[in-house]
Amino acid sequence: KQEVTQIPAALSVPEGENLVLNCSFTDSAIYNLQWFRQDPGKGLTSLLLIQSSQREQTSGRLNASLDKSSGRSTLYIAASQPGDSATYLCAVIGETSGSRLTFGEGTQLTVNP
Amino acid sequence: EPEVTQTPSHQVTQMGQEVILRCVPISNHLYFYWYRQILGQKVEFLVSFYNNEISEKSEIFDDQFSVERPDGSNFTLKIRSTKLEDSAMYFCATLTSGGNEQFFGPGTRLTVL
Repeated sequence: KQEVTQIPAALSVPEGENLVLNCSFTDSAIYNLQWFRQDPGKGLTSLLLIQSSQREQTSGRLNASLDKSSGRSTLYIAASQPGDSATYLCAVIGETSGSRLTFGEGTQLTVNP
Repeated sequence: EPEVTQTPSHQVTQMGQEVILRCVPISNHLYFYWYRQILGQKVEFLVSFYNNEISEKSEIFDDQFSVERPDGSNFTLKIRSTKLEDSAMYFCATLTSGGNEQFFGPGTRLTVL
């Protein structure tokens, strides 16, 4: 059964800092990996999708990488801003799990002004 | 930009009552999902739906739950006899045919008293 783990559980940084969020998954047979942002009490906003054949994806100040063989992904946020404060979730679709997303617990990020 | 919408945003019900949660998918999307997130826990897959039938369901999705597309636009999740442990945020997600990225609605917060 696929398990997704995110480290750290919480992170607090000063504004302007570059930071890395980590995601690991136990079964490397995945179709893709998706990073989401969740604001308190709100829905999930898709940030980046990485196909299993890709190594990374970029959108603005965000860069996500994927090392499928080692079961890891990182989300890099450059020049963090207070508006980046949210919970970041990583989720994968396994090759043998239909199209369901399996989520990690999330990293709660606080960017201090 | 097209988005997934969900109603109601918050539903309070008494234990044992039936509830129906509604989702309006993005118009050209053909795959539909329900996920839930109990407070402080991971987002969990409940069910996927394609071509007017369930394509996959989790162990959580027991006989108390059902899904349908009653009018070709709405996608609903019914809980027949709610329990206290059904209290959670319920998210609808949709996916276009041939696509890889699931788009989530804002969620319905269900509180069972």
